Amino acid sequence: ILNVEQSPQSLHVQEGDSTNFTCSFPSSNFYALHWYRWETAKSPEALFVMTLNGDEKKKGRISATLNTKEGYSYLYIKGSQPEDSATYLCAFKTNTNAGKSTFGDGTTLTVKP
Amino acid sequence: DGGITQSPKYLFRKEGQNVTLSCEQNLNHDAMYWYRQDPGQGLRLIYYSQIVNDFQKGDIAEGYSVSREKKESFPLTVTSAQKNPTAFYLCASSMLPSNTEAFFGQGTRLTVV
Repeated sequence: ILNVEQSPQSLHVQEGDSTNFTCSFPSSNFYALHWYRWETAKSPEALFVMTLNGDEKKKGRISATLNTKEGYSYLYIKGSQPEDSATYLCAFKTNTNAGKSTFGDGTTLTVKP
Repeated sequence: DGGITQSPKYLFRKEGQNVTLSCEQNLNHDAMYWYRQDPGQGLRLIYYSQIVNDFQKGDIAEGYSVSREKKESFPLTVTSAQKNPTAFYLCASSMLPSNTEAFFGQGTRLTVV
């Protein structure tokens, strides 16, 4: 089983703060890295699919970077809002078995008004 | 509306009984997945299928079985051989190639007493 780690496990910030968290994955056989947001009582929803070293993706106040050589991806949220409160999951795929995703345990973000 | 439907949302079973969780999608996706989530942990892959009548074991397939007789349907049976079946089960689907995002159902919470 591949080792995909997310840190921190949980994060509490004030509304308006910017924050970031990390997904670490094996640096060999990279195929794709997915970020998902999972709000309470809802289904996980895709944020980004990252496939190339150096990729930077942005959606509104949320952005992500990817470093496949060193095996990490950062997710940034600028000016956090209470509606950003959720668990953020990353999922890693290798080119030896691209049909299979290995998820990290997630980072749970709570944004206080 | 297109999406993934899991049923039921909550399921209670007695120890030693097999139980089948339903997952249906009308997104015309080729690939379907079953994940399990335990408290404080991320999603772990049980089984996945990329084509009708074919499926592969994930990381924790022991005690589970699946079928893929139709593109739209990927039911999961939790057998009596699964030692700790109480968990939250999520079904997902995606298009191929495998670097595309996955879409998730609402999940089934199974409690075995």
